[in-house]
Amino acid sequence: GENVEQHPSTLSVQEGDSAVIKCTYSDSASNYFPWYKQELGKRPQLIIDIRSNVGEKKDQRIAVTLNKTAKHFSLHITETQPEDSAVYFCATGGTGGFKTIFGAGTRLFVKA
Amino acid sequence: EAQVTQNPRYLITVTGKKLTVTCSQNMNHEYMSWYRQDPGLGLRQIYYSMNVEVTDKGDVPEGYKVSRKEKRNFPLILESPSPNQTSLYFCASRSGDFDTEAFFGQGTRLTVV
Repeated sequence: GENVEQHPSTLSVQEGDSAVIKCTYSDSASNYFPWYKQELGKRPQLIIDIRSNVGEKKDQRIAVTLNKTAKHFSLHITETQPEDSAVYFCATGGTGGFKTIFGAGTRLFVKA
Repeated sequence: EAQVTQNPRYLITVTGKKLTVTCSQNMNHEYMSWYRQDPGLGLRQIYYSMNVEVTDKGDVPEGYKVSRKEKRNFPLILESPSPNQTSLYFCASRSGDFDTEAFFGQGTRLTVV
């Protein structure tokens, strides 16, 4: 069945450094790729998304890149801050289906 | 305020005692889903609903039931809970098809002893 693999499972960076989280997916029909951030004890919230007709999208310090040929997409956070510490989930969705398939999550620690 | 509301937030119950977790959204969204979140497994879809009276199984439907009698409500029913259903549960709603943002409820932490 369809699946989404996310790496790494844990990431620790120094404040001000960059963080990169990568996801690969199996369903070639996927054409929507959102990223959700879940702070401790809170609900997941959308932080950025990309559709398959776009290769890269940026919103201030966060960016997402997509390589449809290789079936992988990545989240880039620059100039990390302690408030970026959270669990990040990648996900995929595709036309004709109502499923959103999530990766297992990456716990990001930003050390001050 | 646009929101998805789940109740209860925390629940401890015993094996076999039927329970219902409620979910309500005030955004007039057509699509609603239930997920469970377990360490190392991410968010796995239990059931989803495309509209009133239209529901379908997700990836882990065993032991769960849902209903969608009204557009705003999507309760999750555990007829006979077991310890392996101890988890953090999230309800979510979306306005449109697959490529729209999912809005999550606050979560329900369920413990079955």
